[in-house]
Amino acid sequence: SQTIHQWPATLVQPVGSPLSLECTVEGTSNPNLYWYRQAAGRGLQLLFYSVGIGQISSEVPQNLSASRPQDRQFILSSKKLLLSDSGFYLCAWGPGGFYGYTFGSGTRLTVV
Amino acid sequence: AQSVAQPEDQVNVAEGNPLTVKCTYSVSGNPYLFWYVQYPNRGLQFLLKYITGDNLVKGSYGFEAEFNKSQTSFHLKKPSALVSDSALYFCAVRDEQNYGQNFVFGPGTRLSVLP
Repeated sequence: SQTIHQWPATLVQPVGSPLSLECTVEGTSNPNLYWYRQAAGRGLQLLFYSVGIGQISSEVPQNLSASRPQDRQFILSSKKLLLSDSGFYLCAWGPGGFYGYTFGSGTRLTVV
Repeated sequence: AQSVAQPEDQVNVAEGNPLTVKCTYSVSGNPYLFWYVQYPNRGLQFLLKYITGDNLVKGSYGFEAEFNKSQTSFHLKKPSALVSDSALYFCAVRDEQNYGQNFVFGPGTRLSVLP
């Protein structure tokens, strides 16, 4: 069966420090991968999605970047964190079509 | 363009009473509709989906949803609410005609079931 792993679960980082959040999927190949941010426990904001290795689409301009170095690995990064980058980050994967998404357990990022 | 609305930020219901969480959508073609639930500090969990067929869809934890094409709605329901149903609920839609497009999520509705 397919599983999605996201880590770390919580992270406290100072302003100006770098960020790397990792997401990996097991049990499937060539998944569509997604990074969402959720502020204040409400709506989901799609940050990036990827349909294949090295293919990244950005939905909103921001201080973050994403990479997909391997088929089942999706990384969210920042060179210098801002206070506004705080939030709950969710990774998800989906095969497309009428299949829904499967979400990771999320990372709570607090920038101090 | 695809869009989803959840008109209520918050729904309060007493334990044992029926609950409804509303969702309306807009797509060009036929919709694929999903409901997800999120508990605090957790990822979203799949509840149920409508792809085609019967308008009443049954899902996890006793939830069901009714697809109404004329009203472009997909309301989530449960006959008898539990305190443990308290969570954040998201409706999502994808247009069948745009196979490669991403899902669009609604803003979420916070359900509070009071004991």
